[in-house]
Amino acid sequence: EAQVTQNPRYLITVTGKKLTVTCSQNMNHEYMSWYRQDPGLGLRQIYYSMNVEVTDKGDVPEGYKVSRKEKRNFPLILESPSPNQTSLYFCASSLSVAPTEKLFFGSGTQLSVL
Amino acid sequence: LAKTTQPISMDSYEGQEVNITCSHNNIATNDYITWYQQFPSQGPRFIIQGYKTKVTNEVASLFIPADRKSSTLSLPRVSLSDTAVYYCLVGGSDSSYKLIFGSGTRLLVRP
Repeated sequence: EAQVTQNPRYLITVTGKKLTVTCSQNMNHEYMSWYRQDPGLGLRQIYYSMNVEVTDKGDVPEGYKVSRKEKRNFPLILESPSPNQTSLYFCASSLSVAPTEKLFFGSGTQLSVL
Repeated sequence: LAKTTQPISMDSYEGQEVNITCSHNNIATNDYITWYQQFPSQGPRFIIQGYKTKVTNEVASLFIPADRKSSTLSLPRVSLSDTAVYYCLVGGSDSSYKLIFGSGTRLLVRP
């Protein structure tokens, strides 16, 4: 089944403890991206990647890192999480960066930073 | 990058047609307009996409006027299961490949 898989689904951590949220897609998609969703703010893009080893900042990249060493995986790294990074995170992918390509989203990761 | 504006929420009743309008005054020449639907505890999913005029699929219709500064998602005869948040997304044509979602419209369908 074609899908975008995020793990974990829920995560509670403490300030400053490094964490990684994994994202994997099995559709051979070139484009992958991360979003955070906060009440009243909709979806905001954190980082995106157009292909292996090609990443760039979205609208809210501060405090996050990403890597794209393989086409299928696009992990989101929080080196030193802070409470303002408590949010619902979504990973998405699309076949290419063409504007007509639709995004496929994962089920989300609810992160709480205490 | 085109910023979008949508109503925060809308109410409707089963069987009615619902129209949700998105404003995108700064849309670029090559930008497409895409709508996504999101249910609670799920990621958004694609509904429909268009560039100009009217597009229709099995789920919805999308109306885009000639100036392309707005678009309207039309859901015919809504049911309770259409209760969701609907996002308008404009972009994809500029070299940065950033995608900007609006704040979304929360649609509540009542019996």
